[in-house]
Amino acid sequence: GEDVEQSLFLSVREGDSSVINCTYTDSSSTYLYWYKQEPGAGLQLLTYIFSNMDMKQDQRLTVLLNKKDKHLSLRIADTQTGDSAIYFCAESFSGYSTLTFGKGTMLLVSP
Amino acid sequence: AAGVIQSPRHLIKEKRETATLKCYPIPRHDTVYWYQQGPGQDPQFLISFYEKMQSDKGSIPDRFSAQQFSDYHSELNMSSLELGDSALYFCASSLGGAGNTIYFGEGSWLTVV
Repeated sequence: GEDVEQSLFLSVREGDSSVINCTYTDSSSTYLYWYKQEPGAGLQLLTYIFSNMDMKQDQRLTVLLNKKDKHLSLRIADTQTGDSAIYFCAESFSGYSTLTFGKGTMLLVSP
Repeated sequence: AAGVIQSPRHLIKEKRETATLKCYPIPRHDTVYWYQQGPGQDPQFLISFYEKMQSDKGSIPDRFSAQQFSDYHSELNMSSLELGDSALYFCASSLGGAGNTIYFGEGSWLTVV
């Protein structure tokens, strides 16, 4: 995870918006992903964005990409207690390349 | 929709034993990846296969080997197990060259005692 950095912890109240941030170092990254991992569970692909996009919205999720600053964010609207999990940012290149993950951000949603 | 299937889900082995994990990719996916996630860590890439050939290699120990079979399922073989091999092992699959969206399985928990 040394090429992808995330803040380690975020705490919000139910109903608020959550914003999880990620920075990456490799400007040749083509695909940027957000995965969700609940305790003891697998990695669930939430959404992804291609590097030629600035924004992608999918229901409660909004991904913003600032290529100049190499900054990616995930906004979760109307955060629910079921959103409590670890969120991983990951980057890859086109083709068959592998993912490089950040250390993950633990999101805690309180009632 | 069918997902990536991994087996076994949980495995307990003693030091110096051998373990084999199996992965069945999403139908029609031709690329398989293996990742290792230690406790409190981010997933680390081990190895990947495309069309039954090794396509990329990460931090896979020499004690480990893997292959992809003609039906595209993959197996990760781990020998001379060490305590530090205790981790969650993920398999993921994708359709190579078509957007590279990578989907993960639920993972196999390996505990070495």
